[in-house]
Order: sequence, then C-alpha cells, then structure tokens
Amino acid sequence: AQSVTQLGSHVSVSEGALVLLRCNYSSSVPPYLFWYVQYPNQGLQLLLKYTSAATLVKGINGFEAEFKKSETSFHLTKPSAHMSDAAEYFCAVSAPGGGSQGNLIFGKGTKLSVKP
Amino acid sequence: DAGVTQSPTHLIKTRGQQVTLRCSPKSGHDTVSWYQQALGQGPQFIFQYYEEEERQRGNFPDRFSGHQFPNYSSELNVNALLLGDSALYLCASSLVLAGGETQYFGPGTRLLVL
Repeated sequence: AQSVTQLGSHVSVSEGALVLLRCNYSSSVPPYLFWYVQYPNQGLQLLLKYTSAATLVKGINGFEAEFKKSETSFHLTKPSAHMSDAAEYFCAVSAPGGGSQGNLIFGKGTKLSVKP
Repeated sequence: DAGVTQSPTHLIKTRGQQVTLRCSPKSGHDTVSWYQQALGQGPQFIFQYYEEEERQRGNFPDRFSGHQFPNYSSELNVNALLLGDSALYLCASSLVLAGGETQYFGPGTRLLVL
C-alpha cells in the first residue's frame, strides 16, 4: 500500500530563514506527489505537484520541491520564510489502482511556525 | 472562475442523527471526491464520484454514502452519527480530461457530533 511520512509534526523557523519540510513516500508504482497548504479554519490549497515530468517542481509563493526516486523523498523548500507562510503543510501521494485519477493519500501534516 | 464551494460551513448534530453535506465542484470539473479530516490529522479519502457513480471508496463504513447530480454537484450523507464522526469534511473536484490527478479543495464543512 502507498503511504506518506512527514518527518516533524512541528517546524519552527525565523523569518528570512530557509524552510525545509520533509516528506517520504512508499509506492510500488511511479507516484504522483503533491504538497498542499492549509491555513487555520480553511480548506487545502495546492502548492505544487510532481507528475513524472521535471524532478524539480516550482510552486506558488516561492516554494519548490524535488522528487528523488532513490531516496523516495519529495521535500518542500523555500529559501526565505515569510510570516504569512505559517500554516500546516500536507504531502500527498496518489493511490495505486486509480491511475491518474486516483484518490490522494495524505501525510499527517507539518505545522510551520515563523518567528519574527 | 468559481472554486469549490461547500455547505454548510458548520454543523452540530447529536449521536444517531443523520447529516447531509453538499459540494459544488470548480467550474468545468466533473469528478468529486470527499475526505474526512479529524483534528490534528491529514485528510482521509472517503469516496469519489464520476458520471453520477461511485468510482472509488476508501475504508469507511456503509453509513457514509454519497450522490452526484447531473450538474456534477455532490452530497455526502452520514447515517447513525457517532462521536467519532466529528471532523472537517472536505470536498475536492477534478477534471478527467485534464488528467484528473490534480484535486482542488473546498473550504470544508466542520461537523460536531455531541
């Protein structure tokens, strides 16, 4: 079965510092991978996605992620954190059997805090 | 371009009652998926509807049922509510012809079961 592991339920960085949120996946087939952000009391907003094209994926708000098959990782980074980046971030993988329209399997999330 | 909308935003029910949640997909989308997000957890897949039929289902009991209408909107019904059904229910839409892998989420309905 596919699964997603997000290392660190809570990450705290200073404003202007590098943001690194870790995501590892397991999959028996080439996955599609996603990062979503959730602000308090809101739904999920898509940050970026990997769908077997370029391994370095750029998303919105200055975020990017690199697909590393050998490490089964899809870590999310941003060079310089802003206060507005404080939110919860979810990594997700598309499930097997559903092809490109499969359901999403989510990690447990990482809450990002940004200190002034 | 209207995004995914859900109603109501909040709901309070008591154990044993039944609830219906509603979702309108993003304009042009034809597939609707439902997820349950318990407090402090990631969303869990309930089921997906396409062409008015349930296409995939997650590990949820039959108390959870759904429907998709000809205009692609969808309902999630939960019968015999349990305290453990308290959660944020998220609807997501996608488009099959565009590959369908990208799902866009609505703001959710927060259900509290007392």
